[in-house]
Amino acid sequence: KQEVTQIPAALSVPEGENLVLNCSFTDSAIYNLQWFRQDPGKGLTSLLLIQSSQREQTSGRLNASLDKSSGRSTLYIAASQPGDSATYLCAPLGGNMLTFGGGTRLMVKP
Amino acid sequence: KAGVTQTPRYLIKTRGQQVTLSCSPISGHRSVSWYQQTPGQGLQFLFEYFSETQRNKGNFPGRFSGRQFSNSRSEMNVSTLELGDSALYLCASSFTGTGGRSPLHFGNGTRLTVT
Repeated sequence: KQEVTQIPAALSVPEGENLVLNCSFTDSAIYNLQWFRQDPGKGLTSLLLIQSSQREQTSGRLNASLDKSSGRSTLYIAASQPGDSATYLCAPLGGNMLTFGGGTRLMVKP
Repeated sequence: KAGVTQTPRYLIKTRGQQVTLSCSPISGHRSVSWYQQTPGQGLQFLFEYFSETQRNKGNFPGRFSGRQFSNSRSEMNVSTLELGDSALYLCASSFTGTGGRSPLHFGNGTRLTVT
């Protein structure tokens, strides 16, 4: 059974900092891994999708890497802004199922 | 292109009642998945439908059921509601579903409160 851990659980940083969110998973037999953002009371917004054959994906200030063999993914956010405040979730896809981590709750202070 | 639409946004029900939630996927998407989100358990997979067939099911009791129509719209039903069923129910659609490589797109969810 896939287990997904996200560290840290919560993070508070001043505006402008570069940050790294970590995701680890126990079963490396995955098709892809998706990073999502969730604002309070809302659904999930897809940020990046990394296929199992890829090492990284970039979108604007976001960069996600994947090391399937070691069961790790990182989400790098450059020059953080208050609007980045949200919960970030990673979800590897394997066994025809997305398994979610507990998320990292990010607060970016002006 | 319209996103994933879930109705209603909020529901309040009493223990023992049943409830039906609705999800309209993005146009052209044939897969619809359902997830339950609670503060204690996080996001948990309920089931996935692809072209009107249930393709995968999570570890939930039989009180949770679903179906998908020919236009890909999906409904989820929970019978004999319990207090622990209070949660945010999220629906996601994708072109290929969990058997393929396309990303999942989520709706804003239905907030169910059971009293």
